[in-house]
Amino acid sequence: QKEVEQDPGPLSVPEGAIVSLNCTYSNSAFQYFMWYRQYSRKGPELLMYTYSSGNKEDGRFTAQVDKSSKYISLFIRDSQPSDSATYLCASPLGGGTSYGKLTFGQGTILTVHP
Amino acid sequence: NAGVMQNPRHLVRRRGQEARLRCSPMKGHSHVYWYRQLPEEGLKFMVYLQKENIIDESGMPKERFSAEFPKEGPSILRIQQVVRGDSAAYFCASSSRLAGGQETQYFGPGTRLLVL
Repeated sequence: QKEVEQDPGPLSVPEGAIVSLNCTYSNSAFQYFMWYRQYSRKGPELLMYTYSSGNKEDGRFTAQVDKSSKYISLFIRDSQPSDSATYLCASPLGGGTSYGKLTFGQGTILTVHP
Repeated sequence: NAGVMQNPRHLVRRRGQEARLRCSPMKGHSHVYWYRQLPEEGLKFMVYLQKENIIDESGMPKERFSAEFPKEGPSILRIQQVVRGDSAAYFCASSSRLAGGQETQYFGPGTRLLVL
């Protein structure tokens, strides 16, 4: 079983839709979670960084962690064509630490069409 | 402030040749990570280095692959005697650890290696 699992999609939505991207993880020691966005032929860029359970909001983006079900989500409100990218969830393999090598989900390909 | 720099951006090698990938971390960053992204797969950790030290190379193949981060100059990922299966995008990330242990890894644009 992979430590972080993510549905690769692809996911296609109309502009303005609410997008929900999800990952599950198996290692209960994971406490820190990141969402990265990767445009085609580019490097990943950090979108959101969360610790433990709960929600974190940043503009149109909301990251949610549910430790009881080992489920992490990223919501995008009012989606725009510029949000079209691959979204990667990740957690440091250090378990309870916030640093160290990251283990990534496979990535979900999102297309927002006008 | 320049971001993480990687070069070359694209590299073509024939089987059996050597590939050298370079990564210049962000200014002030002393931690460097290398990841590999194979087609249709996610990013996989390869090696973690600090200046002049390999901290964790548990994700790196035992043969043909090596990495260094010298006191001066960029970090180098070296692949000897490349094979077609080495074709992938190789990403470097750098970070500086903040007080309290928080860390953000910033990724470079990647080097796309194609082995013919």
